[in-house]
Amino acid sequence: QSALTQPRSVSGSPGQSITISCTGTRTDVGGFNFVSWYQHVAGKAPKLIIYDVTKRPSGVPDRFSGSKSGNTASLTISGLQAADEADYYCCSYGGWYIILFGGGTKVTVL
Amino acid sequence: EVKLVQSGAEVKKPGESLKISCQGSGYNFLSQWIAWVRQQPGKGLEYVGLIFPGDSDTRYSPSFEGQVTMSADKSLGTASLHWSSLKASDTAIYYCARAQIYSGGVLERFDSWGQGTLVTVSS
Repeated sequence: QSALTQPRSVSGSPGQSITISCTGTRTDVGGFNFVSWYQHVAGKAPKLIIYDVTKRPSGVPDRFSGSKSGNTASLTISGLQAADEADYYCCSYGGWYIILFGGGTKVTVL
Repeated sequence: EVKLVQSGAEVKKPGESLKISCQGSGYNFLSQWIAWVRQQPGKGLEYVGLIFPGDSDTRYSPSFEGQVTMSADKSLGTASLHWSSLKASDTAIYYCARAQIYSGGVLERFDSWGQGTLVTVSS
């Protein structure tokens, strides 16, 4: 199965909202509510920020939110901050032990 | 506190073998799946495979089947990733992560990650 499709980069000014899309198919993103999102700063371990499409682990600010429509999941960052600069990856269950990552989106705060 | 601590960076030559490890603490290591994830230079995250340390059940991504071997040592509380003959294309950072897996191999999330092990393969 192919990787999920994300935009290579998204940018925004401090305080703005940005949305990152993650497009799959009906056999992965569209077929299950098991999409997760990870924030990855170079040199550090990736960090879980959204799971089960919309849930936030404790400690993750509510500026981060997830949604899904059809075969596309989305991560929205509201009130963008300089600390949000990172690479963001979506991940979806795709059937029996099949796990797919998106190609990653670089978020730049202008 | 859940912690996954990985072994240190490695520099190897093509054709050499290598095993890197991931030690879990702060939870019942034997009862949670561990995933391995690769990040090649300048590229994104790629799922390598899963291992259940309690019984060493392993599940490989089709892209990595036959390329690497996952194992677990229950007594040491570690999971390992092994190459019998490294290639230059194996150069990457390898992360281990605790995976919340439901019955039927349903991945819900990777909720804790190791710090990564940089593997450099060069002649």
